Amino acid sequence: ILNVEQSPQSLHVQEGDSTNFTCSFPSSNFYALHWYRWETAKSPEALFVMTLNGDEKKKGRISATLNTKEGYSYLYIKGSQPEDSATYLCARDSGGGADGLTFGKGTHLIIQP
Amino acid sequence: GAGVSQSPRYKVAKRGQDVALRCDPISGHVSLFWYQQALGQGPEFLTYFQNEAQLDKSGLPSDRFFAERPEGSVSTLKIQRTQQEDSAVYLCASSPLSGDSYNEQFFGPGTRLTVL
Repeated sequence: ILNVEQSPQSLHVQEGDSTNFTCSFPSSNFYALHWYRWETAKSPEALFVMTLNGDEKKKGRISATLNTKEGYSYLYIKGSQPEDSATYLCARDSGGGADGLTFGKGTHLIIQP
Repeated sequence: GAGVSQSPRYKVAKRGQDVALRCDPISGHVSLFWYQQALGQGPEFLTYFQNEAQLDKSGLPSDRFFAERPEGSVSTLKIQRTQQEDSAVYLCASSPLSGDSYNEQFFGPGTRLTVL
């Protein structure tokens, strides 16, 4: 893996169903992995920052896991609601501040009532 | 408290026109980043400021792009002689950190630039 890759690109999920999607990233020079939720016409909102292999984080119905050795993270949404409709971005952080974040293209999630 | 704000939110420019995009970071934040998100892509790094110093401008796509942060707070991204390929959402983010930890970045809503 040379770049940050997210799959699927888009996803339609029925309200109430659970779903998950993937972020793959280069495992070398890893410092942290960020997940953002970006709703149309709003600012990207930070969901999680994950740094340690095996990290699991949870915020309400949303959770994420991290595997730094194989270079992937999963984001899970339990019992999807219409307000979960958004683009979910992951970004690899190589630390040091100046490099910025390297983003994937995002997963566009649409929750159908 | 107030988050990161950007103005204008939308800008339509004719090809060849100069544009200036403004970012007001969270007060006291040391680091400021600009990103460009083209249609169907993820945000891509353009440039980084630590206070008023532009420490990295490696992501600026051409010499038509110029960014400044003269007093270490508000930043302006200027694009000269805009081209159609400059059409994108321009995101600004600020961080309280000076680079010794992971980048907890707070984003503005972006400026959507359309070049006709």
